Amino acid sequence: DAGITQSPRHKVTETGTPVTLRCHQTENHRYMYWYRQDPGHGLRLIHYSYGVKDTDKGEVSDGYSVSRSKTEDFLLTLESATSSQTSVYFCAIRPGDSKEEYFGPGTRLTVL
Amino acid sequence: AQSVSQHNHHVILSEAASLELGCNYSYGGTVNLFWYVQYPGQHLQLLLKYFSGDPLVKGIKGFEAEFIKSKFSFNLRKPSVQWSDTAEYFCAARINAGNMLTFGGGTRLMVKP
Repeated sequence: DAGITQSPRHKVTETGTPVTLRCHQTENHRYMYWYRQDPGHGLRLIHYSYGVKDTDKGEVSDGYSVSRSKTEDFLLTLESATSSQTSVYFCAIRPGDSKEEYFGPGTRLTVL
Repeated sequence: AQSVSQHNHHVILSEAASLELGCNYSYGGTVNLFWYVQYPGQHLQLLLKYFSGDPLVKGIKGFEAEFIKSKFSFNLRKPSVQWSDTAEYFCAARINAGNMLTFGGGTRLMVKP
């Protein structure tokens, strides 16, 4: 257990509504990541953070924004959810001296 | 852009059969390679990793993988699978100590009892 929690674990929302997903870690690791998992695509990186207020885009960042105001929390926001954003979202952390990532339990988001 | 390919999308085996899942990456520089496993309804767990040195690496639950630089491959193997190995397996690569992992599309393994 890498001390990662995600909330909510399940959410159903409607097209056009804003959605924020939260990732919380207890170990103060430097790197945090948001991925989406879709069948046949594996995991694709949305955004990542390498420190408080330091973030960068990943492979599929359009339609998503992130914020990290505290080391322990990394928020993913869908400003106006679309059906194509229906997916399972995983948060991951990477300790600064490590090369591997550790994953949270995931959030299943359905956009109707 | 770098990519990771897993050519087997679905594999069905009987218990005690041997397993080999293919993984190829498209970059010729320094790579760190990983296999993750996702059991039904669970999050990804690290199965094994390769950074340098001995190209045959051993992971948890009897899994191993071999890094073949000339083939840009990092195939996952297990001599004898169990029903509990039913899961989805993901290969991933980190290029040149960068900040991002690139994942393959995953292989769903079903082991029949």
